[in-house]
Amino acid sequence: GNSVTQMEGPVTLSEEAFLTINCTYTATGYPSLFWYVQYPGEGLQLLLKATKADDKGSNKGFEATYRKETTSFHLEKGSVQVSDSAVYFCALSDLSGGSYIPTFGRGTSLIVHP
Amino acid sequence: NAGVMQNPRHLVRRRGQEARLRCSPMKGHSHVYWYRQLPEEGLKFMVYLQKENIIDESGMPKERFSAEFPKEGPSILRIQQVVRGDSAAYFCASSPGEVTEAFFGQGTRLTVV
Repeated sequence: GNSVTQMEGPVTLSEEAFLTINCTYTATGYPSLFWYVQYPGEGLQLLLKATKADDKGSNKGFEATYRKETTSFHLEKGSVQVSDSAVYFCALSDLSGGSYIPTFGRGTSLIVHP
Repeated sequence: NAGVMQNPRHLVRRRGQEARLRCSPMKGHSHVYWYRQLPEEGLKFMVYLQKENIIDESGMPKERFSAEFPKEGPSILRIQQVVRGDSAAYFCASSPGEVTEAFFGQGTRLTVV
């Protein structure tokens, strides 16, 4: 079946530090890949996506590249802000058991200090 | 275009009562997914529906839980005879098709007392 593995959190950084959150996946087919962000008390919001190998998704200074050879989709940001503090979920969408069901990692909490 | 609407945002039920959670997908979206989120845990898939059909319910407990997405009206997740372990945040997501991103509602936080 399909699965997504993310690095465990929390990740604690100072403002303007470089961020990497690792994500690797297992899929039976050729998935689309996503990063979502969840702020406290809210639902998940799509942050960025990539649909084929070597695609780079980017949004709000975040970016992630679809690496088929390493089955990875690591999230990066060059300079984090306090407002980036949230939980980040890596996800894929692929055929599994006969239907397409978005599959999520466990989430990685990011805490950014001033 | 309104987003995915879930209600209520917060729901308190006593043990043994029924909980009904509603989800109105985005306009034009025919695919609905329900997830459960427990504190410090990720999103656990429960059920995938299209209009009037349950496509995949492999993540839903066999007893007490049911879901529907009628031709008219919102999708409903129903939990009968709730127990304390049902306390969680329940999220609904919708999409216009397969292999596309899912759009999430703000969730219903169920507390069983």
